[in-house]
Amino acid sequence: EPEVTQTPSHQVTQMGQEVILRCVPISNHLYFYWYRQILGQKVEFLVSFYNNEISEKSEIFDDQFSVERPDGSNFTLKIRSTKLEDSAMYFCASSERGTGQYFGPGTRLTVT
Amino acid sequence: LAKTTQPISMDSYEGQEVNITCSHNNIATNDYITWYQQFPSQGPRFIIQGYKTKVTNEVASLFIPADRKSSTLSLPRVSLSDTAVYYCLVGEPNFNKFYFGSGTKLNVKP
Repeated sequence: EPEVTQTPSHQVTQMGQEVILRCVPISNHLYFYWYRQILGQKVEFLVSFYNNEISEKSEIFDDQFSVERPDGSNFTLKIRSTKLEDSAMYFCASSERGTGQYFGPGTRLTVT
Repeated sequence: LAKTTQPISMDSYEGQEVNITCSHNNIATNDYITWYQQFPSQGPRFIIQGYKTKVTNEVASLFIPADRKSSTLSLPRVSLSDTAVYYCLVGEPNFNKFYFGSGTKLNVKP
């Protein structure tokens, strides 16, 4: 069964550093998403991406965040200057038109 | 997006059928209902999606009454490995965003 994959599984970074989280969506999917989940809290929507542009974003997705689909397979989330409160699990998801979203295993980001 | 209400937690025993109900009183005409399962430190896993009546797959069944103001996820013969948080989400098929609630924490006991 095809899966969404994410790398790295765990990223430790210092406050103020830039991080790039990588995702490989399911190959025939057209819609891509990033979510985050702070430990013990709800899954929170960050951004959705379709046809090479952002289609929706939440209030969490401010100027320090950006997304990119640099080639035909990868989908990345960049956090420009990390803060302590960015520590969370970050999940990538993808979907075909009209179906549920399939989530990756997540990247645990720890900002120290 | 329609707001959903689910029980915070449920207990069950191995081998039992578990039914988790979700209320979504303000569901819109174009909205579908989707259920996810999440284990600790893992991404949500798609279980099932439906629009009306009944949908069944190899994992679960989804029952949606005619007024669509609620839905019930049915898990047949649960095992210990079904202990997880279950989320009900409502929205249009080409969801651009999902808002997850707190979900239902299912605890399956031996």
